[in-house]
Amino acid sequence: DVKVTQSSRYLVKRTGEKVFLECVQDMDHENMFWYRQDPGLGLRLIYFSYDVKMKEKGDIPEGYSVSREKKERFSLILESASTNQTSMYLCASSLRSGGADTQYFGPGTRLTVL
Amino acid sequence: GENVEQHPSTLSVQEGDSAVIKCTYSDSASNYFPWYKQELGKGPQLIIDIRSNVGEKKDQRIAVTLNKTAKHFSLHITETQPEDSAVYFCAASPPPGTGTASKLTFGTGTRLQVTL
Repeated sequence: DVKVTQSSRYLVKRTGEKVFLECVQDMDHENMFWYRQDPGLGLRLIYFSYDVKMKEKGDIPEGYSVSREKKERFSLILESASTNQTSMYLCASSLRSGGADTQYFGPGTRLTVL
Repeated sequence: GENVEQHPSTLSVQEGDSAVIKCTYSDSASNYFPWYKQELGKGPQLIIDIRSNVGEKKDQRIAVTLNKTAKHFSLHITETQPEDSAVYFCAASPPPGTGTASKLTFGTGTRLQVTL
């Protein structure tokens, strides 16, 4: 089974702090994604990566950056956390088959910014 | 870009009844339509998907239908059970660009409650 793990289930940070959310997948997937999930808004794509060191902006990249130094690990960085970044963050990975690919999700990190 | 609308936002059915969730999409190039189930405290998990070359797909008690002309697709759950209670998300994806990943655009979710 594909396993996607996220470093923390719950995280509390203060406004202005730099925050790192880590995601690791164990299935040698090329693609990795970061979403945020908010009530009534569904899942919105922040950034994704299709290869090591390669990244693309999603629909809501403002205030975030990402890093992918190794194939299995994809980090989401909040350079200066703000209260409007309080949310559930979900990481996903998929195999790149040249077509549409199933995404496998981690359990999520609930981030609260005070 | 793609836009996916999902209805209803909440749905309550009695055990044994059927449940139907509907989605519409905007990008006629989209060709992949998965459905995810999210249980409390967990990440979404794929339950069924359909590609644009078929109109219907079934897997035991769940089925998905696709109408490409009208750009809508639906999830049908028959003989609902309490363990079907969860949040369900539809999504749509156009073909990926060269050398990049296929991206999903999600609907806003439907909270299904199956009552005894």
